[in-house]
Amino acid sequence: DTAVSQTPKYLVTQMGNDKSIKCEQNLGHDTMYWYKQDSKKFLKIMFSYNNKELIINETVPNRFSPKSPDKAHLNLHINSLELGDSAVYFCASSQVTDSPLHFGNGTRLTVT
Amino acid sequence: SQQGEEDPQALSIQEGENATMNCSYKTSINNLQWYRQNSGRGLVHLILIRSNEREKHSGRLRVTLDTSKKSSSLLITASRAADTASYFCATPIQGAQKLVFGQGTRLTINP
Repeated sequence: DTAVSQTPKYLVTQMGNDKSIKCEQNLGHDTMYWYKQDSKKFLKIMFSYNNKELIINETVPNRFSPKSPDKAHLNLHINSLELGDSAVYFCASSQVTDSPLHFGNGTRLTVT
Repeated sequence: SQQGEEDPQALSIQEGENATMNCSYKTSINNLQWYRQNSGRGLVHLILIRSNEREKHSGRLRVTLDTSKKSSSLLITASRAADTASYFCATPIQGAQKLVFGQGTRLTINP
């Protein structure tokens, strides 16, 4: 009965590799997001999608490419991983853009 | 720059005491939200207060909002060990369709 689920929970990879994180929500929400949380717990929005359409791209390097095959899924693909990409990535969803967010449990990405 | 900033950054109290966390923000808002994050988990929404509300309660939580000072506070009464977590305020940026978070207050409840 998980509301927002993302996989994998942990991802350890080497610099230069390409990796993907998947996210699914079963809440029927129209809007989905990717947030990045750094080591100081600062949470920064990366992307948001409304009904499969990109509405926010928060000056994220184009090595990061979100894809929303339907409004229940928002995946994140990262090319040519760098050390600075190490962080926890959270997927979230909401009914409308200023209503409460429901978060997944995060994917801890470590780039070595 | 950040929209919301929490104060203090860290707070350690004894079980049973009350905990107060503050949040300041910069632009006009139509609501302000508080979230809790337990270690290794995602954020969980606690309470939303609208700009025309001054105070809101939910169980042991009390949130106040002062739009003239652009600040909010979260009070947790009769704290429990399970309240140990990081607490974040968040505000929607009008017209930008996004929710911006502060850096959080790390609350530790000592048994």
